[in-house]
Amino acid sequence: QGQLQQSGLGLVRPSQTLSLSCLVSGDNVSSKSAAWNWIRQSPSRGLEWLGRTYYRSKWYSDYELSVRGRIIIDRDTSKNLFSLQLNSVTPEDTAVYYCARDGGDFFDLWGQGTQVVVSA
Amino acid sequence: EVVLTQSPVTLSVSPGERATLSCKASLSISSNLAWYQQKPGQPPRLLLYSVSTRASGIPARFSGSGSATEFTLTISDLHPEDVAIYYCQQYNNWPPWTFGQGTKVDVK
Repeated sequence: QGQLQQSGLGLVRPSQTLSLSCLVSGDNVSSKSAAWNWIRQSPSRGLEWLGRTYYRSKWYSDYELSVRGRIIIDRDTSKNLFSLQLNSVTPEDTAVYYCARDGGDFFDLWGQGTQVVVSA
Repeated sequence: EVVLTQSPVTLSVSPGERATLSCKASLSISSNLAWYQQKPGQPPRLLLYSVSTRASGIPARFSGSGSATEFTLTISDLHPEDVAIYYCQQYNNWPPWTFGQGTKVDVK
């Protein structure tokens, strides 16, 4: 079935960079039938899809319009993990961040979530 | 962007009774709709995809129906462990994938 294990810091200063990783077990980040997503959840914005990376003979990344330009979703195939980098954060980026797998554009496997607070 | 509107915001149901949750899309999303259950402190859990296909391990008391812009999640014979927030998600119109704001189900 697989498992996603998140890691990363939960407190980020305004204007700094949020960095999280998601270790994949029981599946392969280079799978041609899955995509690897980051989703966040906050009381004000609800569940918000941020972006994904996936391999289909080459690597692709797609990002939500509101964070495009600030976000990078990358992968490390040697460690079987993918990562989120969100630059120039503001308090509005405070949320619980989840990594998630999709095998058909719906999310069938989720990480445990990381509460990220943006505060000085 | 497709907006999903869920109703009601909160639903109180007696154990053993039926809970009916609605999700309406701002434009047609065909049958590309999923439902999730989220309990406090946990990530969302996939219940249904393609409107009515149950994910692995999901009990038969969870069912879905609808098409185009109107969808329903039904929990027949509500169990106490079904207390949660339920979200719909569309994956027809991208970008981005979008979620509803949720319906909270509690036990009366």
